[in-house]
Amino acid sequence: DVKVTQSSRYLVKRTGEKVFLECVQDMDHENMFWYRQDPGLGLRLIYFSYDVKMKEKGDIPEGYSVSREKKERFSLILESASTNQTSMYLCASRSHASGSTDTQYFGPGTRLTVL
Amino acid sequence: GNSVTQMEGPVTLSEEAFLTINCTYTATGYPSLFWYVQYPGEGLQLLLKATKADDKGSNKGFEATYRKETTSFHLEKGSVQVSDSAVYFCALSPNTGRRALTFGSGTRLQVQP
Repeated sequence: DVKVTQSSRYLVKRTGEKVFLECVQDMDHENMFWYRQDPGLGLRLIYFSYDVKMKEKGDIPEGYSVSREKKERFSLILESASTNQTSMYLCASRSHASGSTDTQYFGPGTRLTVL
Repeated sequence: GNSVTQMEGPVTLSEEAFLTINCTYTATGYPSLFWYVQYPGEGLQLLLKATKADDKGSNKGFEATYRKETTSFHLEKGSVQVSDSAVYFCALSPNTGRRALTFGSGTRLQVQP
């Protein structure tokens, strides 16, 4: 079974702090994604990565950056956390083989609260 | 751009009732369509998918048919159980360009014994 793990289930940070959210997948998938989930808005794509060191902005990249130095790990960085970044963050991975028809596998999510 | 619209919840049903959650989409070309489910405290899991018009995806008693003419992918189940209580997300993935999922806002289903 594919496994996607996220470093924390719950995080509480203060405004202005630098925050790192880590995601690891164990299936050698090329594609990885970061989403945020907010009530009534569904999931929105922040950033995704086609492969190591490759990244592309999603629909809401402002205030975020990402890093993909190894194939299995995709990090989301909040350079200076703000209260409007309080949300549930979900990581996903997918094999590149079949593109759009392939399943995305999700981690359990990190609920981030910024005070 | 691409978009997915699904019915607002919560949907509250009694056990063994019939379930329909409506989903319509806007996209160019022929996207792949998905239903994901999120159980309390967990991440999303794929429930079913369909990759071309008239395909029917099915899993765990749930079904959805890809209707190109009505741009719809409604989720149905003949007899729901308490264990089906979750949030259901409809999503699409385009077949060209950036192949990331576009999600609907989610529909919470509550099944009462």
